[in-house]
Amino acid sequence: DAKTTQPPSMDCAEGRAANLPCNHSTISGNEYVYWYRQIHSQGPQYIIHGLKNNETNEMASLIITEDRKSSTLILPHATLRDTAVYYCIVRVDSGNTPLVFGKGTRLSVIA
Amino acid sequence: EAGVTQSPTHLIKTRGQQATLRCSPISGHTSVYWYQQALGLGLQFLLWYDEGEERNRGNFPPRFSGRQFPNYSSELNVNALELEDSALYLCASSYRGGRGRAQHFGDGTRLSIL
Repeated sequence: DAKTTQPPSMDCAEGRAANLPCNHSTISGNEYVYWYRQIHSQGPQYIIHGLKNNETNEMASLIITEDRKSSTLILPHATLRDTAVYYCIVRVDSGNTPLVFGKGTRLSVIA
Repeated sequence: EAGVTQSPTHLIKTRGQQATLRCSPISGHTSVYWYQQALGLGLQFLLWYDEGEERNRGNFPPRFSGRQFPNYSSELNVNALELEDSALYLCASSYRGGRGRAQHFGDGTRLSIL
């Protein structure tokens, strides 16, 4: 079973920041937080991952709370192309652990 | 840089037949993972290959098997196809061991069983 909890759906106005929350209260010290998204009929797309510190790349920012029990993915200026299912996954830093996908959050960006 | 490529895009088979799905990882990646995304069931881990060896396996019957070639490409074979095998089969690749490194996915092969 997935070790994360995400809201099933969210809406965001185009051009505004989309803030997607994720709870992972049982996360272990050696588990990373990964975010992926899946646009309809495509494979999941890697967005960002982090361990303790906040991370930023060209797609998004990842904010991890100090106790690491929750995190937020921020898309700074959402566009219609960001409409997708977003998955938050925790994964041990070891090669033989697969990604365990939950149901994710369906983000709808509205014009 | 080319991403993960999968072939064929679509595959139609009948019950009892065998299917072969192919995956080419990103250049430099040695680990290949296979996932199944069936309608209503979400993404389920199938198999992990690294350096030509099967390293981990999900909760699937033995008729799901595969292999990894010396160039790190991979095949997924599904024998004795059943209706419930209809799904999107996704391949992902990563650097060896995947330590702290992301898996990158292809767009999958949609397998339909008639």
